[in-house]
Amino acid sequence: GENVEQHPSTLSVQEGDSAVIKCTYSDSASNYFPWYKQELGKGPQLIIDIRSNVGEKKDQRIAVTLNKTAKHFSLHITETQPEDSAVYFCAASIGMEYGNKLVFGAGTILRVKS
Amino acid sequence: DSGVTQTPKHLITATGQRVTLRCSPRSGDLSVYWYQQSLDQGLQFLIQYYNGEERAKGNILERFSAQQFPDLHSELNLSSLELGDSALYFCASSLNSGPESGELFFGEGSRLTVL
Repeated sequence: GENVEQHPSTLSVQEGDSAVIKCTYSDSASNYFPWYKQELGKGPQLIIDIRSNVGEKKDQRIAVTLNKTAKHFSLHITETQPEDSAVYFCAASIGMEYGNKLVFGAGTILRVKS
Repeated sequence: DSGVTQTPKHLITATGQRVTLRCSPRSGDLSVYWYQQSLDQGLQFLIQYYNGEERAKGNILERFSAQQFPDLHSELNLSSLELGDSALYFCASSLNSGPESGELFFGEGSRLTVL
C-alpha cells in the first residue's frame, strides 16, 4: 500500500497555543518524511523533515517525531503565531519499480486565532 | 521565491482541447516533478524527470505526457481535456535523482480550468 493518512483536516488554535498534526503511513520501507507548508496562492514549502534513523527532530518552534514501529509521525508547532496559519502536508517516500515518489497526506488547514 | 517558474499561471479552456504547461527548474537542479492538486484528491504525483530521462511515474493519465529538454526545463502536455482535469498543476525541482534525497522546491502552480 501507499497511503498516507493525515489528521485532523482542520485545526483552530489560539495564538500562543500548540498545534499537533498526525500522519500514518502504510509502506514499512518508507524512510523519508517531510512536512510542507502551503500558504494561499503559493506552492508548498518544506519546513522540516525526518529520516527513519531518527526519532525526533527540532527546529525552533517546530518539531517532528517518528514512530517506525507504529508507522506514524507527527508535527508539533509550539507558541503558534498568526503567520503559522496555512495548509500543512505530511509526506512519505514510497519505493516504486524504479525510483521513489513522495506520497502526500490530504493536508491540514491550520488557523491561528489572535 | 522558490526559483521554480511555471507558466501560464492561469489557463481556461474547453473540453476536448489540449494545453501545455511549462516549468523552469531552479538553477542547478536536475530533477523536475509534476504534481496535480485538486480539492478532492490532494497532491497527486504525476511524473518525474532527472537530467532529461523519465525517473519515476505516478498516477499520470495516458492523455497526459511530459518531457524534460536538454536545458532542463519541462513541459506537461494535457490532451482531450475533461472537466475533471481542472486543477492546480505544480512543478517542483530538486538537485538529486530522488525525492528522498532532499527538499523539493515548488513553483506557484498553473491553475487549469476546463469548461
